[in-house]
Amino acid sequence: SQQGEEDPQALSIQEGENATMNCSYKTSINNLQWYRQNSGRGLVHLILIRSNEREKHSGRLRVTLDTSKKSSSLLITASRAADTASYFCATDPGYSSASKIIFGSGTRLSIRP
Amino acid sequence: DTGVSQDPRHKITKRGQNVTFRCDPISEHNRLYWYRQTLGQGPEFLTYFQNEAQLEKSRLLSDRFSAERPKGSFSTLEIQRTEQGDSAMYLCASSRYEDRGNYGYTFGSGTRLTVV
Repeated sequence: SQQGEEDPQALSIQEGENATMNCSYKTSINNLQWYRQNSGRGLVHLILIRSNEREKHSGRLRVTLDTSKKSSSLLITASRAADTASYFCATDPGYSSASKIIFGSGTRLSIRP
Repeated sequence: DTGVSQDPRHKITKRGQNVTFRCDPISEHNRLYWYRQTLGQGPEFLTYFQNEAQLEKSRLLSDRFSAERPKGSFSTLEIQRTEQGDSAMYLCASSRYEDRGNYGYTFGSGTRLTVV
């Protein structure tokens, strides 16, 4: 089963524009993570935001977290062709030792030249 | 140490055959995870190990699936009597338990299984 739902499922924008992807989840979390996956490849960890944080930046990435609404957003600024990929949010419930991250269904991002 | 390695990258097998995949995690990582991903979907959790102990198995992991991590190093995932529905990308990831809440997982490139 998947914890998160990303919105939109697919997004196509012009190079240089900003891309925003949203993630909603169902249960309480310790942290939320975003991953990128290029076609047919493994996932690459982008950024982790803890439940007591509201916003985090890493280069051209900005992540927000609203635990009251159980939602997160990923903003990629000044998009490049190399940003074309699928993006997944993953939630970590963080309880005890029985913990693994659960992925959402992903957003497919296409950057048009 | 160059990351998480998975072997083979691709596997085509006939229905009913057994297949085994291997994952070599980052050496200092004590946790190892297996996920399965079908086309257009996010990865689904299968099982994970801390050192050599298998701590959790998903209900997705039927009796035909078995995973091991002898000596807490590499791991193998075996599928017996493969079915067409087993066709998917099988992803392995590793992490350090001590880094929980601070760092994410490191994934391998995956093994793509096609059952014909």
